[in-house]
Amino acid sequence: KAGVTQTPRYLIKTRGQQVTLSCSPISGHRSVSWYQQTPGQGLQFLFEYFSETQRNKGNFPGRFSGRQFSNSRSEMNVSTLELGDSALYLCASSGAGQLYNSPLHFGNGTRLTVT
Amino acid sequence: GESVGLHLPTLSVQEGDNSIINCAYSNSASDYFIWYKQESGKGPQFIIDIRSNMDKRQGQRVTVLLNKTVKHLSLQIAATQPGDSAVYFCAENVINAGNMLTFGGGTRLMVKP
Repeated sequence: KAGVTQTPRYLIKTRGQQVTLSCSPISGHRSVSWYQQTPGQGLQFLFEYFSETQRNKGNFPGRFSGRQFSNSRSEMNVSTLELGDSALYLCASSGAGQLYNSPLHFGNGTRLTVT
Repeated sequence: GESVGLHLPTLSVQEGDNSIINCAYSNSASDYFIWYKQESGKGPQFIIDIRSNMDKRQGQRVTVLLNKTVKHLSLQIAATQPGDSAVYFCAENVINAGNMLTFGGGTRLMVKP
């Protein structure tokens, strides 16, 4: 099976712009989660989607949003970019159902640099 | 490569030795735990998981130990190899709370040939 695919791999944006990142989960996985990784804060949970519905949301401002499509592919959007949004954004998929957990499988991330 | 942490605790071991990486978790309600390995320029890679109804679980060259009394998790790597050099993260989760993982800060493992 192909792994989790994230595009683009690298992105440079200017403060105030918006950005959309894309994630294709492992085939058959219905849960997609997004995480932000920075040297200072480590790995932090953004949100999780399951069957096109947001199931959980982390402690991030409303500028961060996401969605999931019927084929389980997901996008996240960050509006009005700030310098502090520079980070590695990781997408992960899981075969877990509604009531049980299974490991998250991560993509290699999108490196976003805001200048 | 990309830095995943500028001031991570570092464990340096000789090739062939056993490595033990420790993690203290915070939420007493957590009942599912995972260890991940992250190499430079890559996303975290699943190593092994354990549920709270177990104290120990073994994989290929890796063992995870869970002590719920003191909220402590450890990852043991047998016969450490240069390819094991990476940053290792523990993560905790509450069953029935979706896939919202809380990650530890990470430990950098350096294997000396």
